[in-house]
Amino acid sequence: GESVGLHLPTLSVQEGDNSIINCAYSNSASDYFIWYKQESGKGPQFIIDIRSNMDKRQGQRVTVLLNKTVKHLSLQIAATQPGDSAVYFCAERAGSARQLTFGSGTQLTVLP
Amino acid sequence: EAGVAQSPRYKIIEKRQSVAFWCNPISGHATLYWYQQILGQGPKLLIQFQNNGVVDDSQLPKDRFSAERLKGVDSTLKIQPAKLEDSAVYLCASSLLRNQETQYFGPGTRLLVL
Repeated sequence: GESVGLHLPTLSVQEGDNSIINCAYSNSASDYFIWYKQESGKGPQFIIDIRSNMDKRQGQRVTVLLNKTVKHLSLQIAATQPGDSAVYFCAERAGSARQLTFGSGTQLTVLP
Repeated sequence: EAGVAQSPRYKIIEKRQSVAFWCNPISGHATLYWYQQILGQGPKLLIQFQNNGVVDDSQLPKDRFSAERLKGVDSTLKIQPAKLEDSAVYLCASSLLRNQETQYFGPGTRLLVL
């Protein structure tokens, strides 16, 4: 993920609209990716994951798209709800590595 | 199923003091992780345990940070002495040995060093 220091990228959407949160990764050897949601004062919560042999995976109201050519990952949230307001992180892991590397996150705000 | 427990939730100390954080992972999770999350950034792995052994501590500042998991269950992370730049949220996570990709995070301990 891209480092943006203290200033998180922000996304504001109207309740009921779809949200798209983007993440760029740098390691071409990364073969596993996860999206986490972190609400204020809480730890990150797993949302959805995808392996590099796939380009799309769907969950309940969420879809993750992976474009390995440009090393880009996106999270789509359908019919965004107020409870979706949080910071969203992408994380990657290279096949040979044991650890996850987290991006800097995007602050999603859902407007009533 | 109980989640990952951490204490304290908040801690304020002065620089050069010592501080310790405690983590109780989900029952049966052999793998335990400590992350540091500086404001506005994603979590950064400090150390990973498998049972009571260290798997990865390459990003742990060993001159001031230490961690242990003596009985392969609870873990403590210590900072001695603390610096201003240690102000962060310290997250503990755990996972099953057979599925280390799915990590469950605790609520974190928010540390402020003055």
